[in-house]
Amino acid sequence: AQSVSQHNHHVILSEAASLELGCNYSYGGTVNLFWYVQYPGQHLQLLLKYFSGDPLVKGIKGFEAEFIKSKFSFNLRKPSVQWSDTAEYFCAVTQGGSEKLVFGKGTKLTVNP
Amino acid sequence: SAVISQKPSRDICQRGTSLTIQCQVDSQVTMMFWYRQQPGQSLTLIATANQGSEATYESGFVIDKFPISRPNLTFSTLTVSNLSPEDSSIYLCSVESETARNTIYFGEGSWLTVV
Repeated sequence: AQSVSQHNHHVILSEAASLELGCNYSYGGTVNLFWYVQYPGQHLQLLLKYFSGDPLVKGIKGFEAEFIKSKFSFNLRKPSVQWSDTAEYFCAVTQGGSEKLVFGKGTKLTVNP
Repeated sequence: SAVISQKPSRDICQRGTSLTIQCQVDSQVTMMFWYRQQPGQSLTLIATANQGSEATYESGFVIDKFPISRPNLTFSTLTVSNLSPEDSSIYLCSVESETARNTIYFGEGSWLTVV
């Protein structure tokens, strides 16, 4: 069965620090990749997605993610985090034409002012 | 993106009872999904609900425990039956965008605590 691994459970950074959250998936076929964010008290929001084309995907709020097929990875990055980026971040994958999202366990990000 | 409203947002229920969660979307959508997020766990798909057909359940989830209705293209309900403390979770309704295929949007979730 397909699985998604997020290696960091909780990341604590200071403002202006750079961020990289790891995401690896197990499926070897065609995949669609997503990062979702859940701010405190709010619902899940789509941060960015990759279907095909340029493996470097830019999302909202200065986030980007790079799809590296050889490493089965889709890491999320931001050069300089802000306090308002404090949230939980979920990596998710769908196989080929399926709409079924398989989620990682999430990474909680705390940004200290 | 679609605006998805869920009711109730939170509830505390006695074991052995049932809770029905409603999901209302502000536009017509074909694909609706119900997910569960248990404490400290990732989101897990319970079932896919398409209008006019029976819901399709994922492995480990059965209709008797999680009956789903989908009476029209903007509404669905999920019932969690015969509640036990293990059912304490966040239940999320989600829809596939009609304009951006394979892009899924989520409701705010319904926090259920079973005592």
